[in-house]
Amino acid sequence: SQELEQSPQSLIVQEGKNLTINCTSSKTLYGLYWYKQKYGEGLIFLMMLQKGGEEKSHEKITAKLDEKKQQSSLHITASQPSHAGIYLCGADLMKTSYDKVIFGPGTSLSVIP
Amino acid sequence: GAVVSQHPSWVICKSGTSVKIECRSLDFQATTMFWYRQFPKQSLMLMATSNEGSKATYEQGVEKDKFLINHASLTLSTLTVTSAHPEDSSFYICSASGFGDTQYFGPGTRLTVL
Repeated sequence: SQELEQSPQSLIVQEGKNLTINCTSSKTLYGLYWYKQKYGEGLIFLMMLQKGGEEKSHEKITAKLDEKKQQSSLHITASQPSHAGIYLCGADLMKTSYDKVIFGPGTSLSVIP
Repeated sequence: GAVVSQHPSWVICKSGTSVKIECRSLDFQATTMFWYRQFPKQSLMLMATSNEGSKATYEQGVEKDKFLINHASLTLSTLTVTSAHPEDSSFYICSASGFGDTQYFGPGTRLTVL
């Protein structure tokens, strides 16, 4: 099984609706990153979370880290077509030094105008 | 799922030397490959995008003469760090995708420049 799982796998929402994407780790999280990918393009860094309970917002996107649950959620408020793409979470599973970032399988988001 | 390999996984070199990192898609043809860099405890940052048979597109702030990228075939892309310096020490990760398909990530290469 994967070390990082994301749910849902895909999501189709009406423009203006709110949505949440979850990222769950099977191991302790020492850093959690959220990225967005548009088809055929490189990853766009959204946010990094490092402390349990930490919450960050950027425009209409909010991410939280629940360290105890080894889980992070990404919430988009009043979705727009520009939010469409694949959302990837990446995790740092090493405490003392950095190692490769483990990525989740991604969540594909479509926003219908 | 699709597999992307990188070689070497870890390299230590002296300052001033050049280092080549290979990224291979093992079971699919990668029309596009991406190179990322990650500093300790920081996010991945996209360095460049390369399409097979054409010149790579570099992100702003990335020196194309220092980080040479070659995407000679549909299964291989190389990143050469020329005249490496200690500040180039980092983790380099490649990803590969087919025709507008999902990106598959390599395991990464840790570069340490002494």
